[in-house]
Amino acid sequence: AQSVTQLGSHVSVSEGALVLLRCNYSSSVPPYLFWYVQYPNQGLQLLLKYTTGATLVKGINGFEAEFKKSETSFHLTKPSAHMSDAAEYFCAVSTGTASKLTFGTGTRLQVTL
Amino acid sequence: ETGVTQTPRHLVMGMTNKKSLKCEQHLGHNAMYWYKQSAKKPLELMFVYNFKEQTENNSVPSRFSPECPNSSHLFLHLHTLQPEDSALYLCASSGEDRANYGYTFGSGTRLTVV
Repeated sequence: AQSVTQLGSHVSVSEGALVLLRCNYSSSVPPYLFWYVQYPNQGLQLLLKYTTGATLVKGINGFEAEFKKSETSFHLTKPSAHMSDAAEYFCAVSTGTASKLTFGTGTRLQVTL
Repeated sequence: ETGVTQTPRHLVMGMTNKKSLKCEQHLGHNAMYWYKQSAKKPLELMFVYNFKEQTENNSVPSRFSPECPNSSHLFLHLHTLQPEDSALYLCASSGEDRANYGYTFGSGTRLTVV
């Protein structure tokens, strides 16, 4: 069975500050990991993904995530938050090419002036 | 435009009405999904279709009736809904190699049941 846990349903940062959104996964086989972003009244948009290879993955809008097997984590970071980053972020895991994605419960990011 | 189109974007319906949500993709994907997203609740996977065949129904009430006439189109027929069914309904699609490419989501239909 596969699962993801997103720590913190709400995260608030100041504009220009570091963004850190946490995701831990559970998987009995090497996982495929994803981060999605959802803006209000929109669908989910793929930010970045880890499949194989380099453990530091860069995505759109300056976001990146690092796969750490020893910590079973895939945290999302951005060095400097922008007001436009305010959205809900979802972590997801899959365990095989034909396997469904399992989504976390989401983290709402608030960016303040 | 994400490649997955959902119509309508907004829908208000009475509890005795019958309406349908439509989802269309021309990405060559073979799997399609319906999700329900309610305020302050996790994403709920409702139905999964692979090559037009329903492969998953997560104990969804019968007042929600999905239809997948071909791999490009997915419908959700609604009848005698309850106010608690008000939510954002998201459609997604994926290819066979979903682990490498993930899902592509539509923009959703915001449903309000009055």
